[in-house]
Amino acid sequence: AQSVAQPEDQVNVAEGNPLTVKCTYSVSGNPYLFWYVQYPNRGLQFLLKYITGDNLVKGSYGFEAEFNKSQTSFHLKKPSALVSDSALYFCAVRDRESGYALNFGKGTSLLVTP
Amino acid sequence: DAGVIQSPRHEVTEMGQEVTLRCKPISGHNSLFWYRQTMMRGLELLIYFNNNVPIDDSGMPEDRFSAKMPNASFSTLKIQPSEPRDSAVYFCASTHSRALRGEKLFFGSGTQLSVL
Repeated sequence: AQSVAQPEDQVNVAEGNPLTVKCTYSVSGNPYLFWYVQYPNRGLQFLLKYITGDNLVKGSYGFEAEFNKSQTSFHLKKPSALVSDSALYFCAVRDRESGYALNFGKGTSLLVTP
Repeated sequence: DAGVIQSPRHEVTEMGQEVTLRCKPISGHNSLFWYRQTMMRGLELLIYFNNNVPIDDSGMPEDRFSAKMPNASFSTLKIQPSEPRDSAVYFCASTHSRALRGEKLFFGSGTQLSVL
């Protein structure tokens, strides 16, 4: 079975401060890992993915994520948060060997205050 | 490209009625997914098609739910009869399976279903 866990329902951060949205994964094989963002009344939009190679992945809108195999984590980060980053963020995993669809976490609501 | 197109955007119906949700994937994509989003359960995969063939429908909650993909450019998700607990946002997503496991999904804007 493959799954991800997002331990925080909500993350609050002041504009200009760094932000971290946490994600841990569980797969039987090696994972493909993704982050998506959802703005109100919109579908999910792809931010970034880890397939192989460098553990630090850079994505859209200044976001990055670090793959940590020993901790089975894939936390989303941004050095300086913007109010417009406020949205719902989803981590997702797909097992390399057996998975087809993405399994999503429950989502973390990010609120960036001015 | 117009992206993944879903219709209707909103659907309000009464319990017991049949509901049909529609999806047009991105041209050239051969994998299509239906997801359901609720506050309680988050995003759940309902069914996955590859080359118009259902590959995994283990997420379809009950026999009241059915999905079809008659051709590469169209899919439907039908609920008959609908119940209030089916109220959710239903998303369709597509991608190409040439490197499926590393490919990102492209999502439609969703259908907000309310069953009264």
